Amino acid sequence: ETGVTQTPRHLVMGMTNKKSLKCEQHLGHNAMYWYKQSAKKPLELMFVYSLEERVENNSVPSRFSPECPNSSHLFLHLHTLQPEDSALYLCASSQGGLGETQYFGPGTRLLVL
Amino acid sequence: GDSVTQMEGPVTLSEEAFLTINCTYTATGYPSLFWYVQYPGEGLQLLLKATKADDKGSNKGFEATYRKETTSFHLEKGSVQVSDSAVYFCALSGNQFYFGTGTSLTVIP
Repeated sequence: ETGVTQTPRHLVMGMTNKKSLKCEQHLGHNAMYWYKQSAKKPLELMFVYSLEERVENNSVPSRFSPECPNSSHLFLHLHTLQPEDSALYLCASSQGGLGETQYFGPGTRLLVL
Repeated sequence: GDSVTQMEGPVTLSEEAFLTINCTYTATGYPSLFWYVQYPGEGLQLLLKATKADDKGSNKGFEATYRKETTSFHLEKGSVQVSDSAVYFCALSGNQFYFGTGTSLTVIP
């Protein structure tokens, strides 16, 4: 595997379900990001981890819970989501902090029913 | 604060036409500038970047020049192909990454 991978690629869940999105980067980077991409809206930065420490959290609802167990893996745990949370969730990584070139995974397309 | 503004889409062009997608920025300091491309059903891919004024980034026939005097980083391609149909995002990195809203390009045969 090369680059940034994300699983699953598609996910349908009910509002009472709990699911997790997984991201893995094979680039040797030390920072990882979660973004939300909704139709007709700018890309929203949700969480940033640098050296496995969370350094940014842009007031994301608590029903989204990130986890970064090591510099190569990033999870986004989902519970009791709302239909407006349906979107494409993108993971990215970079070497260094927020201002460095970011490399993206293919995304997980989430539909909340 | 820092921001990026890019032209509204969608843009529809015939194959082999000339492409320009405008991008202007506001920033304190000396940011790096980027163009990312998102093909249908995929994530964002880095297309090109420039790290200082007058630098020209280029890749796959696309070019953009970092113009400090006009605070612009317009994307150009001399002859587009159907396979260039995608959404293009301008971005800026200072203390954070800022993305534009994206411009959808459709190239028709």
